[in-house]
Amino acid sequence: SAVISQKPSRDICQRGTSLTIQCQVDSQVTMMFWYRQQPGQSLTLIATANQGSEATYESGFVIDKFPISRPNLTFSTLTVSNMSPEDSSIYLCSVGGAMEEQYFGPGTRLTVT
Amino acid sequence: QQPVQSPQAVILREGEDAVINCSSSKALYSVHWYRQKHGEAPVFLMILLKGGEQKGHEKISASFNEKKQQSSLYLTASQLSYSGTYFCGTERISGSARQLTFGSGTQLTVLP
Repeated sequence: SAVISQKPSRDICQRGTSLTIQCQVDSQVTMMFWYRQQPGQSLTLIATANQGSEATYESGFVIDKFPISRPNLTFSTLTVSNMSPEDSSIYLCSVGGAMEEQYFGPGTRLTVT
Repeated sequence: QQPVQSPQAVILREGEDAVINCSSSKALYSVHWYRQKHGEAPVFLMILLKGGEQKGHEKISASFNEKKQQSSLYLTASQLSYSGTYFCGTERISGSARQLTFGSGTQLTVLP
């Protein structure tokens, strides 16, 4: 199993600013994933972050809006840039290999005013 | 494409059984099941692989019909702790890329 921590746990930000979310795993992992979950909704994959390569973004998500860093095998960051109220959501990182169980961090609850 | 889950919500009494269904329009490598309680992260329950292998929870069972691209999660003799939102996740793999797409969720409420 993997233990994942995220910082911050929650934040309230003003429109037009940026927030960087950190994700730390207690073991080395190849794949890390970033999800967004709007209130009462399902989880939507934003991007896959593999160490040593550029992140792969899902349809509807772009690097300029959600830049991701993956400097090593235990850490990743997701930045939400130029925020608008529509970005208010819970952002979760997760780890897990292909056809294996996935572990999720506790999430970062973001409110944009 | 997001898998379709049914029902959207179910309410049952402690000790009763429930079935949650998940279907996809695309060929799948595996189906995952997770439970999320309010304000918490999703927690892994079960993964079903092509070929019939299963990994997961001893007290929860599931099936995976590869030809129909459907999966069902069976909750028997439900307990209060089973309450939460259940998500199925359908997995597709392309080269080194892996994509896990979650269904819309089924809200399960177990009453005493």
